[in-house]
Amino acid sequence: DTAVSQTPKYLVTQMGNDKSIKCEQNLGHDTMYWYKQDSKKFLKIMFSYNNKELIINETVPNRFSPKSPDKAHLNLHINSLELGDSAVYFCASSQDILAQETQYFGPGTRLLVL
Amino acid sequence: TQLLEQSPQFLSIQEGENLTVYCNSSSVFSSLQWYRQEPGEGPVLLVTVVTGGEVKKLKRLTFQFGDARKDSSLHITAAQPGDTGLYLCASQNAGGTSYGKLTFGQGTILTVHP
Repeated sequence: DTAVSQTPKYLVTQMGNDKSIKCEQNLGHDTMYWYKQDSKKFLKIMFSYNNKELIINETVPNRFSPKSPDKAHLNLHINSLELGDSAVYFCASSQDILAQETQYFGPGTRLLVL
Repeated sequence: TQLLEQSPQFLSIQEGENLTVYCNSSSVFSSLQWYRQEPGEGPVLLVTVVTGGEVKKLKRLTFQFGDARKDSSLHITAAQPGDTGLYLCASQNAGGTSYGKLTFGQGTILTVHP
C-alpha cells in the first residue's frame, strides 16, 4: 500500500483555470504538508496542517487554498493558474508537528500551466 | 528563516569514486536531515543528526554533523550508479517551537556513471 498518495500525477492546464490536487496518507499521521519544487529542484514548504488545523502558511498567494477534510487528507486548490505556478507539488505527512519527525513524501504532482 | 547552502550543486563521477556533499548555515541547527530524491519520486529521508560531532553510517554513506551544529556533510564511498539522485539537506531552526517546518538546501544532483 502506498503511504502517501497524490492525484493526479500530471496536470497540464491553461492559464486562468482552477485546479485541485488531492493527497491522502494511510500512515495514521496527524500532520500533513504541501511543498513546491521549482525547476531548479528547490523545495519549499507552502502549508502544514495538524489535526485538520492550519499551522504553517508561508507567503503563498491566496490563489492557493488548502483544505483538510480529515486527518488523512489534505487537498490543494489553485485558482486562476499562472505560468509561474508550473512546478512539482509534493504532499508529505509526519506523525506530529514536533521537530525531528520523519516526513514521508508523496510521489509529486507535475503541474504545467500553458 | 534559516538559509542552507549546499555544495556542490552538480556532481558527475565514475562508479567507484568517493564524493562529499556539504551543507552549511550561519545559524545553529537544532537537527539536520539528509534526503535523497530519485527522478519522478518524492524525497526519502536518509538520516537525522542531532548532536554536535555526531557521525552516522548507512552502508557506504557517512553523515557528519559539525561540532558547532552549523554544518553537515555526506560522504559516499565507492559510488554506484544506484546512488544517482538529488541529495537534499534540511533543517529546523534551533530554539523556539518548531512546527515541523523543514528548510531545504538547494540540493546536489549526483550522477554516477557506470
